Amino acid sequence: QQPVQSPQAVILREGEDAVINCSSSKALYSVHWYRQKHGEAPVFLMILLKGGEQKGHDKISASFNEKKQQSSLYLTASQLSYSGTYFCGTGVQGAQKLVFGQGTRLTINP
Amino acid sequence: ETGVTQTPRHLVMGMTNKKSLKCEQHLGHNAMYWYKQSAKKPLELMFVYNFKEQTENNSVPSRFSPECPNSSHLFLHLHTLQPEDSALYLCASSIGGANYEQYFGPGTRLTVT
Repeated sequence: QQPVQSPQAVILREGEDAVINCSSSKALYSVHWYRQKHGEAPVFLMILLKGGEQKGHDKISASFNEKKQQSSLYLTASQLSYSGTYFCGTGVQGAQKLVFGQGTRLTINP
Repeated sequence: ETGVTQTPRHLVMGMTNKKSLKCEQHLGHNAMYWYKQSAKKPLELMFVYNFKEQTENNSVPSRFSPECPNSSHLFLHLHTLQPEDSALYLCASSIGGANYEQYFGPGTRLTVT
């Protein structure tokens, strides 16, 4: 079942902070975050694994609440380059595949 | 450049045509994926191959036929498509499984007329 992302869209000024949420009804083992700019391929940002292991980006942080099956992506002091659509992808234990959310469109204005 | 290439980048085909999409990864990964991305829709997984073996078919119509001759190459053969099949088709690769990040190719923009 597809995870639900919120908000669907957000507009910020450069330097402001953003939080994007991802929620699933399934018991998750991994949560991935990707960013896709218009006309480009999705790019990996962050992966969070059950048990606390985390791999990702220097300037972006994320959390994974295993009890609530929720993850949040934190973008602090946003830059113009952060604009794009952010997708979370979720995986259950032993799975070969990810199921992606519908995406959150982030627009950063000067 | 992510190490995953796709050709062609754009394709226009009629409903009676047969065409193929190609994906190649230069990352030494074992798993490869086909996704469909339509306007205002999430990434829809189509197929997963792990060590050349198909491990997922997400109820994809038979007019889409995947082929994975080795761990570096993945094809999507298309025949008698419908206009609603028009979309961006993305290939991705990973070490394997949902525990590892996926690297996406630039996609093929397909238009079915």
